[in-house]
Parts: sequence; C-alpha cells; structure tokens
Amino acid sequence: DIQMTQSPSSVSASVGDRVTITCQASQGISSWLAWYQQKPGKAPKLLIYAASSLQSGVPSRFSGSGSGTDFTLTISSLQPEDFATYYCQQANSFPLTFGGGTKVEIK
Amino acid sequence: QVQLVQSGAEVKKPGASVKVSCKASGYTFTSYGISWVRQAPGQGLEWMGWISAYNGNTNYAQKLQGRVTMTTDTSTSTAYMELRSLRSDDTAVYYCARDLLPYDSSGYSHWGQGTLVTVSS
Repeated sequence: DIQMTQSPSSVSASVGDRVTITCQASQGISSWLAWYQQKPGKAPKLLIYAASSLQSGVPSRFSGSGSGTDFTLTISSLQPEDFATYYCQQANSFPLTFGGGTKVEIK
Repeated sequence: QVQLVQSGAEVKKPGASVKVSCKASGYTFTSYGISWVRQAPGQGLEWMGWISAYNGNTNYAQKLQGRVTMTTDTSTSTAYMELRSLRSDDTAVYYCARDLLPYDSSGYSHWGQGTLVTVSS
C-alpha cells in the first residue's frame, strides 16, 4: 500500500497568512493526488485534483503543486472560513489512501 | 444537482452486521464509481473500498477483506455497504463518495452526509 505522510499535523495561522501543507507519498504516484477540506461535523470537500487542478467553485487562493512523491497545498491568503482540517489522498492505485490530516487553527 | 443521501444512524452490538445505503440522484448512476470512507471519532479519513456502478467490480481495503461487501442497485441508483462482525473500533461516521470523473477515481467530488454507526454492548 502507498503511505501518505502529511506535515505539519497542525498549524496556527492568522487571517491573511500564507499557509503551506505538504504531503509525501511512499512511492511515486505521478500527479494522482487530491486535496480535501473538512470542517467539524461535515463531509470532506474536494479542493484540488490531479495535484494542481482546482475543483469547480473553489476559491483561487487554494493551489496545489508537485508530482512523483512530494506535493504541496498552498492557501495564499488565509480567510476565516479556511480554518479546517485538510487531507491529501493518493488516487494512483488501490487502496486509495489518505494522509493523516493537517488542522489549520486560528493563531 | 448531484446528491448522495445516506441512511440514518445505527446502533449495533458487537458481532452484528450493519448495512448503510447511499441513494444517488442528479447524474447517470452507472457512469461513476462510488467509494466508502469512514472516520472514527476525532480521527482521520480511512478509505474502505470502491465499487464500479457500471459493472459491480469492487476493490476493498485489505484490513476489511472478508467483513465488508459493497453492492449497487442500478434500478434505484443506490449503493450499499455492509460490514459484518462489528467491533467497537468500527464505531465511526461512514461516508459514500462519488468519483469526480466517469470511470476515473481522481478524487471525490460529491459526498453523502455521513451515517454514524455506533457499536456498543
């Protein structure tokens, strides 16, 4: 199975900050990576697919990059509604494993 | 609009089985795969498996092999996930999620609202 390692596990940031979350795959997955945002009590929401493609309706302050084993999700200017937990998921091969999550908290 | 509506919360005893449904609407059901993802209280997301609504092919997480069965009913556009021999650590919110693209598991664009399954004696 492909293991997905996210870092950091949590980050404290202020509104307007630039936030970067990384995800590392235990083996190469090309660009088969998705990012999700989850708020408490809600289902996850797809932000990015194919490593860098912005899902329809998602604000442009979210961006994704990377290929192979190393990936990044960047929020260019953190907004109040962005405080949530973020997960990466590899879509290269079954089982489609998730990273452990990164909680973005208010500083 | 695309919707996935799941069945309601369940309370089960250890050793019992649970079957959660996920009724789809707003798209051609057989063109997209459905995955099941669960989340234990306070924990991260765990991928459980995937089923093709086109031909019923499945792929399950190894740790659940032998205990989980995913099926679809194309006549009602409904996906099902049955988990047997329940244990306390199966207590979680269970989500169904639809593939972003037809015949392509690049991510999940639509999710059900979640079904809480509690396993307790």
